[in-house]
Amino acid sequence: GQQLNQSPQSMFIQEGEDVSMNCTSSSIFNTWLWYKQEPGEGPVLLIALYKAGELTSNGRLTAQFGITRKDSFLNISASIPSDVGIYFCAGRYGGSQGNLIFGKGTKLSVKP
Amino acid sequence: GAVVSQHPSWVICKSGTSVKIECRSLDFQATTMFWYRQFPKQSLMLMATSNEGSKATYEQGVEKDKFLINHASLTLSTLTVTSAHPEDSSFYICSAGLSSEQYFGPGTRLTVT
Repeated sequence: GQQLNQSPQSMFIQEGEDVSMNCTSSSIFNTWLWYKQEPGEGPVLLIALYKAGELTSNGRLTAQFGITRKDSFLNISASIPSDVGIYFCAGRYGGSQGNLIFGKGTKLSVKP
Repeated sequence: GAVVSQHPSWVICKSGTSVKIECRSLDFQATTMFWYRQFPKQSLMLMATSNEGSKATYEQGVEKDKFLINHASLTLSTLTVTSAHPEDSSFYICSAGLSSEQYFGPGTRLTVT
């Protein structure tokens, strides 16, 4: 079945540093979504990508849809303590309401 | 916009009883809703896809008679865990589809004693 490899699994960084995480797959996806989840809460959508090569920003967050359609990355610039959480990538290969395949998540810890 | 609510946010029940979890899209209509289960420090596992007015589509390994899903309107889907057992204890999260995106509820923590 479809699988997403998300890395790194966890990151411990200093406040102010930039962060980069990515997801790769052996399959082609037509949508990439990036979510952030905090403890005891549901995931919150950060960025949605629909076209190969698309680069989209949301404040300090930037995500790109890989040109091969098999990968995506998320960058966070100038991290702050409230960036702490688990970041999930999710890919869709079917229609607009097709199922999402989730990565295993990247746990981000930010030291003030 | 695109707010999804879940009720209850947490529930403790005795083994053998049934528990109903509600998922509502508050400011949009969702033809499709999804139910996920998440174990501690794990990713989200899709349990079923719920389409308004039709039977839910369950993922492989998910018992449809144990996890009853009803999607009676464009803003409400319910998940009923029947004859709950301790191994059903988990974090259950729903999401609602809007265009090509999915918006998640805050989750329901179920503990079966």
